Amino acid sequence: DVKVTQSSRYLVKRTGEKVFLECVQDMDHENMFWYRQDPGLGLRLIYFSYDVKMKEKGDIPEGYSVSREKKERFSLILESASTNQTSMYLCASSSAGSSYEQYFGPGTRLTVT
Amino acid sequence: GENVEQHPSTLSVQEGDSAVIKCTYSDSASNYFPWYKQELGKRPQLIIDIRSNVGEKKDQRIAVTLNKTAKHFSLHITETQPEDSAVYFCAASRGNQFYFGTGTSLTVIP
Repeated sequence: DVKVTQSSRYLVKRTGEKVFLECVQDMDHENMFWYRQDPGLGLRLIYFSYDVKMKEKGDIPEGYSVSREKKERFSLILESASTNQTSMYLCASSSAGSSYEQYFGPGTRLTVT
Repeated sequence: GENVEQHPSTLSVQEGDSAVIKCTYSDSASNYFPWYKQELGKRPQLIIDIRSNVGEKKDQRIAVTLNKTAKHFSLHITETQPEDSAVYFCAASRGNQFYFGTGTSLTVIP
């Protein structure tokens, strides 16, 4: 049974703080993804990684960075949190190649005040 | 890049009726079309998918149809039940990356 876990379910941070969101998967998946989910906007891709130390920008990378030092772990970093980054953040993983299901984590609800 | 549009954004049906959600995509190279269901407070989970070499796929009360020429695909839920109430997302993919629609909030009224 695939398991994707995220470090926090709820997080409250202040404007300007550096924020780390961590995601871990236990299925030896090559691909990992970070999305943000906002009402009416669906799931928007921030960054993805198809291998250790590799990363690709998604549709909305501004204000974010990522790190993948180990295959099972993918971190999303908000260098200086802003109120417009208040959102639900979802991590996902999948096997390499096309047409493979993405498995999602439970999400982190981040509030920036 | 790919652009996926999804309609309607909200849908209410009586229990036992059918529900249909439609998506269009722009990249003719897309070849994989999954549908995810997200119940309130839970993670999105795959419910059905279809590949570009297939026109229709069924799994009990849910079915997906694909029209490659028109670049649209649809989710059909028959005999709806209250537990079908959720947000449904379509997606299109031609590689590792998925492009999601904006979601449809389905409410099944008992």
